[in-house]
Amino acid sequence: QKEVEQNSGPLSVPEGAIASLNCTYSDRGSQSFFWYRQYSGKSPELIMSIYSNGDKEDGRFTAQLNKASQYVSLLIRDSQPSDSATYLCAVNIASPMKSGYALNFGKGTSLLVTP
Amino acid sequence: EAGVTQFPSHSVIEKGQTVTLRCDPISGHDNLYWYRRVMGKEIKFLLHFVKESKQDESGMPNNRFLAERTGGTYSTLKVQPAELEDSGVYFCASSQGDNKRISGANVLTFGAGSRLTVL
Repeated sequence: QKEVEQNSGPLSVPEGAIASLNCTYSDRGSQSFFWYRQYSGKSPELIMSIYSNGDKEDGRFTAQLNKASQYVSLLIRDSQPSDSATYLCAVNIASPMKSGYALNFGKGTSLLVTP
Repeated sequence: EAGVTQFPSHSVIEKGQTVTLRCDPISGHDNLYWYRRVMGKEIKFLLHFVKESKQDESGMPNNRFLAERTGGTYSTLKVQPAELEDSGVYFCASSQGDNKRISGANVLTFGAGSRLTVL
């Protein structure tokens, strides 16, 4: 079982729609959860971080965390063509010896927003 | 503010040769991380420096990989001798702090990566 799983996509949504990206993780000890956006050939860029169960909103982005179900999601409202990218889910590697940024990543979901 | 800089952006070498990748973190960032993404796989953690000390190198694949951070500024990752399976993109990232509960001041910033192709 992979530590972090994502649907590779591509996920195609029309401009203005809501894009829903999902991620599951295997380690119940994980406490920190991140969504990164990566354009082709570029560096991963942090979009959202979440640590507690529930929703966290930042502009057009909402991260949702359910630790009991080991599930993290990212909603992008009013999707724009510029949102087209690969979205990476990352979860901290739970260990007393691990620092906060030793992360397990999913393979990423490719999002395509069509005009 | 300059971001995380990595060099070279792309390196093509033959099996058995040596390659050294360099990372310059954001100025003032004590924490420096190396990650790797091989073709078709997810990004994997390799190691973590706090200043010049290796905090965690549990992700290093084998002893052909050597990471250094002399003086606690830039870091190098040497692969010697390179094998075909070492091909991939090597990312460096840095952060100011390293709290378990990461605050806005401790955002992990990635470089653009160094693509390594071993023939």
